[in-house]
Amino acid sequence: QVQLQESGPGLVKPSQTLSLTCTVSGDSVSSGPYYWNWIRQPAGKGLEWIGLIYTSGTTNYNPSLKSRVTISLDTSKNQFSLKLSSVTAADTAVYYCAGDFGVWGRGTTVTVSS
Amino acid sequence: QTVVTQEPSLTVSPGGTVTLTCASSTGAVTSGIYPNWFQLKPGQAPRALIYSTIKKHSWTPARFSGSLLGGKAALTLSGAQPEDEAEYYCLLYIGGAWVFGGGTKLTVL
Repeated sequence: QVQLQESGPGLVKPSQTLSLTCTVSGDSVSSGPYYWNWIRQPAGKGLEWIGLIYTSGTTNYNPSLKSRVTISLDTSKNQFSLKLSSVTAADTAVYYCAGDFGVWGRGTTVTVSS
Repeated sequence: QTVVTQEPSLTVSPGGTVTLTCASSTGAVTSGIYPNWFQLKPGQAPRALIYSTIKKHSWTPARFSGSLLGGKAALTLSGAQPEDEAEYYCLLYIGGAWVFGGGTKLTVL
């Protein structure tokens, strides 16, 4: 079955760019579920959809984050990635990747702090 | 900005039935905005339960069901088990973007 695993730095300095990768196993990012998502959950708060990328490479972002978000596919590594620029403490959260919202990774905690 | 509203907390007795709802600030929830439901437990990956209003994943326990109820999306749990104690989130596709509800903390007591 499809499995997803998030990876990336657990600590990012304010104003820098947060970069995370989701490695997909059991299916292809270019022909698997229809779209690949990034979602986050700040401590003590609810889930927030960040954005998605279709297998075609077309993206769709949360309007509130759109100016800072880039999601991309790397078919050679069967991965998709998230970049969030100009981060602040408000971007501290558990970040999840998900395939078509059906299958989720276990999440990775990112803290924004100097 | 679209707001999706869920009950902050609900309590159900073991073996009992409870319905969680999901409302949109833009109007009635319909199948056209593809309601999804998720279960979150501390330290675990979120688990998808329902998609496209009523459809179950292969792993969704039969005691969970989705529907539309009074202009809202609804998740009904029939025959609650202790392991169903968790947070539940709905997700709607509104105005070209996906929006999560604020979540419902369900206690089985």
